Amino acid sequence: GAVVSQHPSWVICKSGTSVKIECRSLDFQATTMFWYRQFPKQSLMLMATSNEGSKATYEQGVEKDKFLINHASLTLSTLTVTSAHPEDSSFYICSADDSSDYNEQFFGPGTRLTVL
Amino acid sequence: GQNIDQPTEMTATEGAIVQINCTYQTSGFNGLFWYQQHAGEAPTFLSYNVLDGLEEKGRFSSFLSRSKGYSYLLLKELQMKDSASYLCAPLDSNYQLIWGAGTKLIIKP
Repeated sequence: GAVVSQHPSWVICKSGTSVKIECRSLDFQATTMFWYRQFPKQSLMLMATSNEGSKATYEQGVEKDKFLINHASLTLSTLTVTSAHPEDSSFYICSADDSSDYNEQFFGPGTRLTVL
Repeated sequence: GQNIDQPTEMTATEGAIVQINCTYQTSGFNGLFWYQQHAGEAPTFLSYNVLDGLEEKGRFSSFLSRSKGYSYLLLKELQMKDSASYLCAPLDSNYQLIWGAGTKLIIKP
């Protein structure tokens, strides 16, 4: 099956620093990757859709200058949380579309970010 | 607007059967996914329905009625490891997954 990895799985940082999260499709090429954020006991919230070689499409209310997304290759997308603050502490999950007939998304294991 | 409605929480007994219902309203429809999410983990794929009817996969089955905007996930022979949140997620006309808060399923011995 299609496998998506994320790195790091857990990160603690100081307020004001930047954190980069990597999402890789290990055994397939992903033209489209998605970045989600999930707060405790809440639903997944789509932050942005990332297409290889082009700019990401951000959802309403998501600051593109704060959450920088790069999708430079068909197997790698990165999310950089710039100048992180405690309210950015959350579970960040990426998924990749395998371009199958029914657009199944395969999820990475998630990255838990804690900003002190 | 787009909306997903699932029960917030359900409790069932080990070995029993449970049905988790989902009603949805979306701008267009390109199928519906069910995902399982254990606490602190990312969602994992369970099923996909695009046509009306029942799809069976082992202990799990999923049903779809497009005209009613309704789906359910049926879990048989419940095991303790089935304790998790179950997310109903339809694909809208832009092939974007629409997520609800999910149903937290608690399995008791």
